[in-house]
Amino acid sequence: GQNIDQPTEMTATEGAIVQINCTYQTSGFNGLFWYQQHAGEAPTFLSYNVLDGLEEKGRFSSFLSRSKGYSYLLLKELQMKDSASYLCAVRDSDYKLSFGAGTTVTVRA
Amino acid sequence: IAGITQAPTSQILAAGRRMTLRCTQDMRHNAMYWYRQDLGLGLRLIHYSNTAGTTGKGEVPDGYSVSRANTDDFPLTLASAVPSQTSVYFCASSDSPDRVTEAFFGQGTRLTVV
Repeated sequence: GQNIDQPTEMTATEGAIVQINCTYQTSGFNGLFWYQQHAGEAPTFLSYNVLDGLEEKGRFSSFLSRSKGYSYLLLKELQMKDSASYLCAVRDSDYKLSFGAGTTVTVRA
Repeated sequence: IAGITQAPTSQILAAGRRMTLRCTQDMRHNAMYWYRQDLGLGLRLIHYSNTAGTTGKGEVPDGYSVSRANTDDFPLTLASAVPSQTSVYFCASSDSPDRVTEAFFGQGTRLTVV
C-alpha cells in the first residue's frame, strides 16, 4: 500500500511564500500529483512530476526527488484565494492513485 | 454532459438499505476511481478501474462494490449501508492509467447513513 505524509496545517501571510512537503512510500512509482481543494468543493489539479526536479506553473512550483520519496509544492505571492487544502497524490505500479490527508493552508492579510 | 457527473448530489439513507452512487464521464477516459473523504483522513481510495471490464480494490473496499461495464459509467454500490459509511464520495477519471495525466473529479455525493 501507500504511505503518504504531509503536514496538517500551515499559515502564511498574503504575498509570502509557503512550501508544503510530502513524503511517500509506494509499491512502484508512476507520477506524483498536487491538487487544490477549497472547502465544500471537488479537488482540482495543480501539477505533476514524473522525473526528478522542479516543475513551474505560474505562482505554483512542484519538486520531486524519487530517490528520497520526497516532493514539495511551492506557492509564491500568496493570495487570499489560495486558502485551501493541498493534496499530495502518488500513482503506484498498479496505477492506483492514492492521496495524503492534505495540508490546510490559511492565508492571513 | 461535459466532464464527469455524479448523482445524487446528496442523500440521507437508512441503515441496512442498498444504495448505488452513479458516476458518468464523457471524456472517454480509461481509468476511473471512487474515493471517500472524511475529516482528517483525506481522500481514501475505495475501488478503481484501469479500463472497461476490469476493477481493483483500493485502500477501503469493504462494504462497497463496483462494476465497469462500459467506458463511461462506474457505479458504486453499498449493499447494506452502515453509519460509518457516512462520508463525501468523489468519483474521478483520467485519460489512461499508463499515461501521466491528471485525474478529473466529479462534484461529490454527500451521503448520510442514519
